[in-house]
Amino acid sequence: SAVISQKPSRDICQRGTSLTIQCQVDSQVTMMFWYRQQPGQSLTLIATANQGSEATYESGFVIDKFPISRPNLTFSTLTVSNMSPEDSSIYLCSVGTGRVDYGYTFGSGTRLTVV
Amino acid sequence: QQQVKQSPQSLIVQKGGISIINCAYENTAFDYFPWYQQFPGKGPALLIAIRPDVSEKKEGRFTISFNKSAKQFSLHIMDSQPGDSATYFCAASKGFQKLVFGTGTRLLVSP
Repeated sequence: SAVISQKPSRDICQRGTSLTIQCQVDSQVTMMFWYRQQPGQSLTLIATANQGSEATYESGFVIDKFPISRPNLTFSTLTVSNMSPEDSSIYLCSVGTGRVDYGYTFGSGTRLTVV
Repeated sequence: QQQVKQSPQSLIVQKGGISIINCAYENTAFDYFPWYQQFPGKGPALLIAIRPDVSEKKEGRFTISFNKSAKQFSLHIMDSQPGDSATYFCAASKGFQKLVFGTGTRLLVSP
């Protein structure tokens, strides 16, 4: 399965600022997803990052707040913009190769604290 | 219709016992049902997955049981070990579209 490098692993940010999270995969993947996970909670999909086109956002998430880039088949970024304490969470990148036996792989996540 | 309901929320099992976690779904279009294991500070890791054309899949101590008519599936962990203590998530998807996750089960295996 694919190996994901997600950076940064954690950060503490001031409210009103922005943070860009990087997701680098060691192989070309068809699908890339960005999730948010509140501590002790389940995973909520933010958006699907499409290569060469705009990301597809889930209900409750908008491009102005969470702009996503995917310039190629191995890399994507998620920006959390104009942050508030409510954005404090763990942000996870996930990839899929489209093969049943590989399923979806997750990065280790970025633990964001907004103060 | 997109929900996946998971129970119990937490579970304590003695070492050597059987851990059972249940999930139910509504969307009959779902055709891929994975289970993920997550340790603190780590991302979820795929544990085992099943497609609806089989009723059971076993990998080592981990077994998925799938009941298509009841729209339910469960994870059984045989001979549970303290190292199995983690949070477990069931999920479902249609084809290789986005995963819908259950709410999670925090498993504690006591020594």
